[in-house]
Amino acid sequence: DAGITQSPRHKVTETGTPVTLRCHQTENHRYMYWYRQDPGHGLRLIHYSYGVKDTDKGEVSDGYSVSRSKTEDFLLTLESATSSQTSVYFCAINSGFNYGYTFGSGTRLTVV
Amino acid sequence: AQKVTQAQTEISVVEKEDVTLDCVYETRDTTYYLFWYKQPPSGELVFLIRRNSFDEQNEISGRYSWNFQKSTSSFNFTITASQVVDSAVYFCALSEAQSSGNTPLVFGKGTRLSVIA
Repeated sequence: DAGITQSPRHKVTETGTPVTLRCHQTENHRYMYWYRQDPGHGLRLIHYSYGVKDTDKGEVSDGYSVSRSKTEDFLLTLESATSSQTSVYFCAINSGFNYGYTFGSGTRLTVV
Repeated sequence: AQKVTQAQTEISVVEKEDVTLDCVYETRDTTYYLFWYKQPPSGELVFLIRRNSFDEQNEISGRYSWNFQKSTSSFNFTITASQVVDSAVYFCALSEAQSSGNTPLVFGKGTRLSVIA
């Protein structure tokens, strides 16, 4: 196994509530990423991290925040969930340079 | 800025037909990496291939082959003698190499392939 897990796998939440998704890796990779997948849009980058406490915004970062307090965990938080954030969220890891990217199994989030 | 275009939204073929999925990319970097991923109905993303910008050799892996042409900024994927199990969404993606490490993957919107028995 690639050593990357996402939790939860499925979640239904109400509009306006905070939600945190977790990505955990056992590979000690420097880079971690959060993407969302929506029909007709492919995968779009939300935020990424290039080290502990080092993060940067992606293409669709509005409404999301992230934290990385240790190498193995990268958290994605929706401070106040909206229906437009209903999506499938994928985490990915990469050791940098010319290595490949490994994706988690995804989290299906529904905001009602 | 990086961009990946997969113009074919959906393709439907009959089993055993050959099918080519198109991918056109844009980048200003001279060093970059191109990827193909498969997403079957179960939803996971399966890595298929990574190719760097200095290697224009075509690659074949079983029924899969890839044609990389820098002159046309294309990285097309062909499945020979398609099978029902090839039914999936296929994504092409691009990453640029920088001194601090590769940039995050930029994906095309994907091509949904349906192989009919």
